[in-house]
Amino acid sequence: EVQLVESGGGLVQPGGSLRLSCAASGFTFSTYGMHWVRQAPGKGLEYVSAISSDGGKTYYASSVKGRFTISRDNSKNMLYLQMGSLRVEDMAVYYCAKSPCGGDCFQDYWGQGTLVTVSS
Amino acid sequence: QLVLTQSPSASASLGASVKLTCTLNSGHSTYAIAWHQQRPEKGPRYLMKVNGDGSHTKGDGIPDRFSGSGSGAERYLTVSSLQSEDEADYYCQTWGTDTHVVFGGGTKLTVL
Repeated sequence: EVQLVESGGGLVQPGGSLRLSCAASGFTFSTYGMHWVRQAPGKGLEYVSAISSDGGKTYYASSVKGRFTISRDNSKNMLYLQMGSLRVEDMAVYYCAKSPCGGDCFQDYWGQGTLVTVSS
Repeated sequence: QLVLTQSPSASASLGASVKLTCTLNSGHSTYAIAWHQQRPEKGPRYLMKVNGDGSHTKGDGIPDRFSGSGSGAERYLTVSSLQSEDEADYYCQTWGTDTHVVFGGGTKLTVL
């Protein structure tokens, strides 16, 4: 059974940093691309970032480019999102998702999400 | 620029069928899309991929009541024999080489 478990969310001040983690199990992690998708309160889904199966290619939404960094550790089956220069508009539930592709396409499994609150 | 358009809301009666629509913008009518369901206070759940030719491939454990199809730039999600648990937000999503992942605005389905 595929499982994706996010952690690392919490309260952070504007301008601060936070690192999200996603523990993956139930599939060969190193074979598939992985995504981060977020959802602000009462809003729809927004793509944040993606990474290829070997970590060699990364993709970012324009809203986070230069502030967020996606990475993965295939030896530990872990996905990460390092978030910096956080803004109030980054406040959202952040979901980790698996892609059935080696790169960047759609998501076929989702985690339960972790909440990031940006407030002073 | 890749854009997906969904109606904000839809409704249908318990036991009836409903067809949700996701429209690709001009120049992208052959793209495949994916449908995702999000029940209240839950994370999204992948339902299926609908290809440019209208064929579809469902995710693990998705009931037969859910089906996908397409025509031109439109991609559809049909839910038959509606149950109360089908009340949810439904998002379509696509991807491109240069624009990566794009989500539609979502359709809130109410089961009457």
